[in-house]
Amino acid sequence: AQSVTQLGSHVSVSEGALVLLRCNYSSSVPPYLFWYVQYPNQGLQLLLKYTTGATLVKGINGFEAEFKKSETSFHLTKPSAHMSDAAEYFCAVSLGSYIPTFGRGTSLIVHP
Amino acid sequence: DTGVSQNPRHKITKRGQNVTFRCDPISEHNRLYWYRQTLGQGPEFLTYFQNEAQLEKSRLLSDRFSAERPKGSFSTLEIQRTEQGDSAMYLCASSDYREINQPQHFGDGTRLSIL
Repeated sequence: AQSVTQLGSHVSVSEGALVLLRCNYSSSVPPYLFWYVQYPNQGLQLLLKYTTGATLVKGINGFEAEFKKSETSFHLTKPSAHMSDAAEYFCAVSLGSYIPTFGRGTSLIVHP
Repeated sequence: DTGVSQNPRHKITKRGQNVTFRCDPISEHNRLYWYRQTLGQGPEFLTYFQNEAQLEKSRLLSDRFSAERPKGSFSTLEIQRTEQGDSAMYLCASSDYREINQPQHFGDGTRLSIL
C-alpha cells in the first residue's frame, strides 16, 4: 500500500523568501515520487519526479526536491518565491503500478 | 504536442440527469486515466485504460459511472442518474508507457455542478 501526507494545507511566504512544502510518503518498496502544480481552473502540471539515482531532483520554475529514504520524505523547495508561484501543489507516490496516489495538496500563498 | 483536451470545460445539470465527458489524450500516449477532484482534495483515481482495454477501476467507482475508449484514442466518461455528491472536477490524464516512470499529462478538467 502507498500513501502520501502533505503537512500544512496552506503555506504563506513573502515574495523572495524560501519556499518549503512538506511531503512524507509511506511505501513498502522503493517509490517513484512526483510533485505537481495546479493553477486555478487548470489541470495538474508536472514539476519534477524522482526515479532512482540522484536524490536531489531539479524541476521546472526553479523548484527542487530531495528524496530522503531514512525520513520517508520528499520535500519541495525553492530559494526565492515569486508571485507567480501562488498555486496548489500536490505530492504523489507511485509504486510503479502507473497509478499514483496524490496528497491532499498544499496551497502556496505569496505576499508582495 | 497539443496536450490533453477535455470537453466540456463546465457542465451544469439537474440531479438525476445523465452526463458524458470527453477526453482526447496526447496522440502517442497509450495510457489514459480518469480522476475526480473535489475542493481541497487531491485527484482521486477512477479508472485507467491501456489502449482500448480498461485495466483497472477504483472500488470507489459507482455502477452509475462508466468509461469507454473504443478505438484506443479518445475516451468518454458517463455518469448516469447524477447525484449531488457527483459535483466535482473530473480530470483526464495520459501517459506514454515508454517514458520512464510514466509521468502523467493532465487536461484542464471538466467541472460538473449538480443542481
